[in-house]
Amino acid sequence: DGGITQSPKYLFRKEGQNVTLSCEQNLNHDAMYWYRQDPGQGLRLIYYSQIVNDFQKGDIAEGYSVSREKKESFPLTVTSAQKNPTAFYLCASSIAGGSPKTQYFGPGTRLLVL
Amino acid sequence: AQSVTQPDIHITVSEGASLELRCNYSYGATPYLFWYVQSPGQGLQLLLKYFSGDTLVQGIKGFEAEFKRSQSSFNLRKPSVHWSDAAEYFCAVAAYGGSQGNLIFGKGTKLSVKP
Repeated sequence: DGGITQSPKYLFRKEGQNVTLSCEQNLNHDAMYWYRQDPGQGLRLIYYSQIVNDFQKGDIAEGYSVSREKKESFPLTVTSAQKNPTAFYLCASSIAGGSPKTQYFGPGTRLLVL
Repeated sequence: AQSVTQPDIHITVSEGASLELRCNYSYGATPYLFWYVQSPGQGLQLLLKYFSGDTLVQGIKGFEAEFKRSQSSFNLRKPSVHWSDAAEYFCAVAAYGGSQGNLIFGKGTKLSVKP
């Protein structure tokens, strides 16, 4: 079955620690996205990538970093510079080029601070 | 700037009753509009989308939405709600310009269903 997988389901971060959230898709989509979700805030775009080896900052990129070395994978690193990392993180993918593009979402990773 | 407003943070309806969730958007041209649903602790599932053509769009799980340009609205409806419809619902519009294709989400409406 085609889809998007995110791991782990829950992740715990200690003070000063970087953590990496995994996102893998087998939908053959060129574009991938990372969102942060906080209660009552909807979804806010962190980073997106339209093609391998290229990515752009979204609305709230500070304290986060990404890489896009493979079409199937778009890992997100939450760095120690992100002072309030506790949130639900969602990865999505879509076809690239032109508009409109329907985004398909993974099951999410919940990040908690110890 | 583009924006999406979902005026109702939380709605409670009785099982079997009809449902309408409101969505208003701000956009200069013909918008591309989406409704997603999220069960607790899960990802988002696409319910339906409007790109062009018929302004009444049918989706999955018995949902429909109507695009009204004059009111800048894209309200989601269901004639008879089931307990399994309890979830959070998000309206989104596709951005234009430099971030063409990116989605702008509303803050969501949480639906509770009374037995």
